[in-house]
Amino acid sequence: ETGVTQSPTHLIKTRGQQVTLRCSSQSGHNTVSWYQQALGQGPQFIFQYYREEENGRGNFPPRFSGLQFPNYSSELNVNALELDDSALYLCASSRTGTGTYEQYFGPGTRLTVT
Amino acid sequence: SQELEQSPQSLIVQEGKNLTINCTSSKTLYGLYWYKQKYGEGLIFLMMLQKGGEEKSHEKITAKLDEKKQQSSLHITASQPSHAGIYLCGADLWGSQGNLIFGKGTKLSVKP
Repeated sequence: ETGVTQSPTHLIKTRGQQVTLRCSSQSGHNTVSWYQQALGQGPQFIFQYYREEENGRGNFPPRFSGLQFPNYSSELNVNALELDDSALYLCASSRTGTGTYEQYFGPGTRLTVT
Repeated sequence: SQELEQSPQSLIVQEGKNLTINCTSSKTLYGLYWYKQKYGEGLIFLMMLQKGGEEKSHEKITAKLDEKKQQSSLHITASQPSHAGIYLCGADLWGSQGNLIFGKGTKLSVKP
């Protein structure tokens, strides 16, 4: 069984730029959730994708957007990067519709905005 | 998040000692998740609790959810250096299976 993978591992961007982060869900999982984790804090929910549609969103502005593909992998896009966007971005996959609720996280992408 | 409080913030224990980490919600939980995180890395799933009074164990780690489904505890028996890390509790407050609210974490250090 393949676990959740994320790419890239690390990324450095300049304020105002755009970034795309990628996530491959665990095999058999159809739902992907994205979280932002600032240093010393717990992860904060950004949004969730199920059946290629956004299925819930946290308190993040529209410049945070996402996609889910037919193979259940997902992208997180952030436009007009700000210094406060520097964080560890985590994706988690789960299986909706089967009664199991366990979410499994990837290793994360460390984004630094300068 | 103020909706989920975790305590203590940090913990230093001698190898072999037992310890408990607590997680308290201001709302009734649909589910409570425990994760372990090494610094700057992804979260490792430990256990998920859904029913009031439920208790689960894995190796030397036991997690319980109280009857009211607002408080959970994680207990480690005979701690080892491999238990060191940050323990996070995550709460499903809406039955959404995805939108988890996390505590700020408990940093555990185990002295050999």
